[in-house]
Amino acid sequence: QKEVEQNSGPLSVPEGAIASLNCTYSDRVSQSFFWYRQYSGKSPELIMSIYSNGDKEDGRFTAQLNKASQYVSLLIRDSQPSDSATYLCAVTGAGSYQLTFGKGTKLSVIP
Amino acid sequence: IAGITQAPTSQILAAGRRMTLRCTQDMRHNAMYWYRQDLGLGLRLIHYSNTAGTTGKGEVPDGYSVSRANTDDFPLTLASAVPSQTSVYFCASSENSGAKNIQYFGAGTRLSVL
Repeated sequence: QKEVEQNSGPLSVPEGAIASLNCTYSDRVSQSFFWYRQYSGKSPELIMSIYSNGDKEDGRFTAQLNKASQYVSLLIRDSQPSDSATYLCAVTGAGSYQLTFGKGTKLSVIP
Repeated sequence: IAGITQAPTSQILAAGRRMTLRCTQDMRHNAMYWYRQDLGLGLRLIHYSNTAGTTGKGEVPDGYSVSRANTDDFPLTLASAVPSQTSVYFCASSENSGAKNIQYFGAGTRLSVL
């Protein structure tokens, strides 16, 4: 059974700070990694995808992947109150392309 | 451009009743998925379809059935609803079923089974 683990939070950061969200996964052959953002009462929306080791930057967001440690993270720079949401980590395996989701980390950005 | 449309938005259902949740996408995506989301359990895959005419079971398929008669529609049926099926249901789609394919989600259906 593939597992994706995230701290449930809540993670509270002041406005303008860096928010760091972490995710570990159990399937060593996982290929693709995604971060979704979900506002309360809304559906998940993709904010980042990463497929190879290292960092990938998109605006204020940076995804970091370390396959040897089975670890993927999301950094949000200059956090804004509008970033307050639950962040879901999702992983696909090699044999199956289905997504396995973590339970999500709730982020609160305090003005 | 609508993307993925789910209906109904919400529903209260008596236990034992049959219910079909509708999902339609206009992106001509080959793959479609049904998830349920419960507090403390996250998103769990119920059924999926890699292409029209094929379906597969996800992590929690019991009590649910799906069909994929064409590319655009992927209805989810609860044959005889039970209270444990109270949840928020999300339909999603992706261009193909490969590992790098991004899934896009509908707005969800909030279902209460009493």
